[in-house]
Amino acid sequence: DGGITQSPKYLFRKEGQNVTLSCEQNLNHDAMYWYRQDPGQGLRLIYYSQIVNDFQKGDIAEGYSVSREKKESFPLTVTSAQKNPTAFYLCASSILGGGVTEAFFGQGTRLTVV
Amino acid sequence: AQSVTQLGSHVSVSEGALVLLRCNYSSSVPPYLFWYVQYPNQGLQLLLKYTTGATLVKGINGFEAEFKKSETSFHLTKPSAHMSDAAEYFCAVSEGFGNEKLTFGTGTRLTIIP
Repeated sequence: DGGITQSPKYLFRKEGQNVTLSCEQNLNHDAMYWYRQDPGQGLRLIYYSQIVNDFQKGDIAEGYSVSREKKESFPLTVTSAQKNPTAFYLCASSILGGGVTEAFFGQGTRLTVV
Repeated sequence: AQSVTQLGSHVSVSEGALVLLRCNYSSSVPPYLFWYVQYPNQGLQLLLKYTTGATLVKGINGFEAEFKKSETSFHLTKPSAHMSDAAEYFCAVSEGFGNEKLTFGTGTRLTIIP
């Protein structure tokens, strides 16, 4: 089955640690996205990538980093500079151009700082 | 810049009653509009989308939405609520055509009263 796989489902981070969230897709989509979800705030865009080896900051990129070395993979690193990382993180992908297509979402990773 | 406003962070309806979830948008270009549903600790699933053409859009699970340009609205409705409709609903907007990143509203949590 085609889809987006995020791992792990739950992640715990100690203060001062960097952690990496995995996102893999087998939909052959060009674009990939990372969103952060907090209660009452909806989803906010962290980073997005439209092509391998290129990515752009979203609305809340501070304290996060990404890479796009392969079309299928778009890992997100939450660095120690992110002061409030506890949240639900969602990865998505979409086709680019050729009309309007929707984004497909993974099942999310819940990150908790302990 | 685009934005989405969802009126009512919580909506409760009785089973069998009409569901109405409100969404207003702001966009400097013709908008492409989406409704997504999220069940607890899950990713987002597309309910329906508006691109061009018919302004009344039908989606999955009996939901539909009407695009009203004059009112900058894209409200979601369902004639008869079912217990399984209890979830969080997000309205989103994108520019499409190479700029598919989504801007989300803050979400509406729908509760169904037996």
